[in-house]
Amino acid sequence: ETGVTQTPRHLVMGMTNKKSLKCEQHLGHNAMYWYKQSAKKPLELMFVYSLEERVENNSVPSRFSPECPNSSHLFLHLHTLQPEDSALYLCASSLGASGAYEQYFGPGTRLTVT
Amino acid sequence: GESVGLHLPTLSVQEGDNSIINCAYSNSASDYFIWYKQESGKGPQFIIDIRSNMDKRQGQRVTVLLNKTVKHLSLQIAATQPGDSAVYFCAENYNQGGKLIFGQGTELSVKP
Repeated sequence: ETGVTQTPRHLVMGMTNKKSLKCEQHLGHNAMYWYKQSAKKPLELMFVYSLEERVENNSVPSRFSPECPNSSHLFLHLHTLQPEDSALYLCASSLGASGAYEQYFGPGTRLTVT
Repeated sequence: GESVGLHLPTLSVQEGDNSIINCAYSNSASDYFIWYKQESGKGPQFIIDIRSNMDKRQGQRVTVLLNKTVKHLSLQIAATQPGDSAVYFCAENYNQGGKLIFGQGTELSVKP
């Protein structure tokens, strides 16, 4: 496993629920990312944080709300999701957010919206 | 829009053979490329990277080739093993900063 952990690993939620995904990196990196991975599609970048500041919001619906309290932790708060939001949500970190550094991924949270 | 794509969605090889996974990219200004491996139930794992000032880079059993003329990237795996079975993604550093753009992935299956 990498130095990036994610909890929970699996989550089933109804459309009216509120839940949060958690990511923690133990690599001393300054940038953290949320990606959505759906079947047969490329990874979709959702959010980028650099030194706890959001530097990219990739036209993500407001029912997804990120939070980065410090450079080691990243959350994704979920509310009133739709069935099409079911996917694998991956967290990643890198030394910097310039795109010139390899990103280290966590194992992902498999989300099912019922 | 700009995108990174893979020529084949699946690849099946015999154990012990060499594997070649291809990737086409469309942004000639991209200067950094990465190959990732994703096993079932796991997140993508870094394999090897290459910058645009190089055309070849070797790792342990893997080689990445970059042809900037035709905007083509390939991953060669020597003596493919069952543990190499996974989905392989290429990614490019889009427009020299900001984010990586990932391809769809090629599923490699190794037959014993």
